[in-house]
Amino acid sequence: EAGVTQSPTHLIKTRGQQATLRCSPISGHTSVYWYQQALGLGLQFLLWYDEGEERNRGNFPPRFSGRQFPNYSSELNVNALELEDSALYLCASSFLTGAGNTIYFGEGSWLTVV
Amino acid sequence: AQSVTQLGSHVSVSEGALVLLRCNYSSSVPPYLFWYVQYPNQGLQLLLKYTSAATLVKGINGFEAEFKKSETSFHLTKPSAHMSDAAEYFCAVSDQGGYQKVTFGTGTKLQVIP
Repeated sequence: EAGVTQSPTHLIKTRGQQATLRCSPISGHTSVYWYQQALGLGLQFLLWYDEGEERNRGNFPPRFSGRQFPNYSSELNVNALELEDSALYLCASSFLTGAGNTIYFGEGSWLTVV
Repeated sequence: AQSVTQLGSHVSVSEGALVLLRCNYSSSVPPYLFWYVQYPNQGLQLLLKYTSAATLVKGINGFEAEFKKSETSFHLTKPSAHMSDAAEYFCAVSDQGGYQKVTFGTGTKLQVIP
């Protein structure tokens, strides 16, 4: 069974441009999460989508946005890129059950802003 | 809101020695607790999870963790460290029930000295 897949693996953008990152969840999972892991800042929660709806949002500016498609895949858009947006962006997925919300991660997309 | 605190951003152990990574949680309701491992340049991999069944949870790669409600702790242990255990370890917490965000600690980097 395929795990969470993310694309692209690496992306280099210029300050002020837009970046789009994509994520396909594990088959059967309806929730997708986005986390930012910048050097020295740990894992910061960005966004959570479930069944096409945004369920929760972290403390990030509006230029970070995303959506979830009917097939439960998701994309994260970052507008007006800033140098400090350079980070590993991790996508995770889960299927919400009464036994707890266990999330499974992809390998991440490295975004470098120059 | 739930949170986790990981004591020690860096831990060094000798190969063959006991590994102990500390995690304390804060939650107003019974929590679900998780440990994840991140090897260099990779995503996070689930090591083990506590979902209110047995308080001693066994995970992959010989790791285990014990839920202690009185101490609000969920420390990760392994009897004998191996060089391949060198990685960053994240503790995470989620309230029980649906639509509960998973919150991660700041991570502990484990160094194994030969």
